[in-house]
Amino acid sequence: EDQVTQSPEALRLQEGESSSLNCSYTVSGLRGLFWYRQDPGKGPEFLFTLYSAGEEKEKERLKATLTKKESFLHITAPKPEDSATYLCVVNNAGNMLTFGGGTRLMVKP
Amino acid sequence: NAGVTQTPKFQVLKTGQSMTLQCAQDMNHNSMYWYRQDPGMGLRLIYYSASEGTTDKGEVPNGYNVSRLNKREFSLRLESAAPSQTSVYFCASSGGLAGGGYTQYFGPGTRLTVL
Repeated sequence: EDQVTQSPEALRLQEGESSSLNCSYTVSGLRGLFWYRQDPGKGPEFLFTLYSAGEEKEKERLKATLTKKESFLHITAPKPEDSATYLCVVNNAGNMLTFGGGTRLMVKP
Repeated sequence: NAGVTQTPKFQVLKTGQSMTLQCAQDMNHNSMYWYRQDPGMGLRLIYYSASEGTTDKGEVPNGYNVSRLNKREFSLRLESAAPSQTSVYFCASSGGLAGGGYTQYFGPGTRLTVL
């Protein structure tokens, strides 16, 4: 059975304080690992797709990396508008998604 | 492009009532999905449609039915609503196996309360 575990569950940062979110996974035939951002009362917003170990993707203050067992979402110099829940999701060989529980990020000014 | 749209945004039902949640996408995607999101549970797949004309059960299909009306539209029906179906429902779409794209794009959600 595929599993995705995100840590920490919640993270409080000061504006400008860089940090990383962790996603550990086990999956039968990885077809992709996705990061989404979800704001309260809204649907998940797509951020990145990673397909193979060693791959990295960047967007503004966010950088996602992938190994064979983990993915990290690095947040550099975060701003209050980066506050949201970040979801890690894996797609297996059967094209089914398994969602992590999310990390709730709060960035204080 | 509007992406994935859902109607209604909010709905309150009484136990035993029926309703249909509507979803449409304008990205020419082959695959469409219905999820529910409950506090502490994450998103769980209810039903999906890998391509027009096909539908399959997901993790939590009991109490729901779906219809893939055409390539754009995928509806979710609650025949006899129960309080356990109080949740936020999300529709998503992706290019799928035929379309070559596995990234799923989500709609804004429907917040359903069953009294």
